Amino acid sequence: DGGITQSPKYLFRKEGQNVTLSCEQNLNHDAMYWYRQDPGQGLRLIYYSQIVNDFQKGDIAEGYSVSREKKESFPLTVTSAQKNPTAFYLCASSMVATPRSGANVLTFGAGSRLTVL
Amino acid sequence: QKEVEQDPGPLSVPEGAIVSLNCTYSNSAFQYFMWYRQYSRKGPELLMYTYSSGNKEDGRFTAQVDKSSKYISLFIRDSQPSDSATYLCAMKYNQGGKLIFGQGTELSVKP
Repeated sequence: DGGITQSPKYLFRKEGQNVTLSCEQNLNHDAMYWYRQDPGQGLRLIYYSQIVNDFQKGDIAEGYSVSREKKESFPLTVTSAQKNPTAFYLCASSMVATPRSGANVLTFGAGSRLTVL
Repeated sequence: QKEVEQDPGPLSVPEGAIVSLNCTYSNSAFQYFMWYRQYSRKGPELLMYTYSSGNKEDGRFTAQVDKSSKYISLFIRDSQPSDSATYLCAMKYNQGGKLIFGQGTELSVKP
């Protein structure tokens, strides 16, 4: 079955530590995204990538880093510079929008919940 | 002011009720409108997708867009306990643009 796999599902981090969240997709989508979800705030875009070896900052990129070395993979590192990292992190992917394909609808993974101790 | 506003609820209704979920937005340039459903501890899944104004129906679900009022709605008929989830509206200006999400409305359908 095609889909997006995020791991780990739950992660605990001590203050000052970097952690990396994994995101893998087998949908052959070109674009991948990382969102952060906090209660009452909806989804906020952290980083996105439309092509391998290229990515752009979203609305809340400070304290996060990403890489896109393979089309299928888009890992997110939460660094010690992120002051309030406890949240639910969602990875998504989509086709790149074209006039023929229409708007690029997102497919989401099941999420990773990060808790800072 | 947020670009997209959504009443966070929670909203609790009895089984069989008609549910109305709503979002308002400030920028008239939005053209693509979506509703996502998110079960607890899961990722969102696309429920409805509408381009520009009008209604779209899919089974018990109807999405409505009123661009003149900058208002979108999702109606659920004959609501079921399995509809209990958080519903997120989302919209974008153009095909390749960034998707802007509402805060999400938590819905509980009681048997």
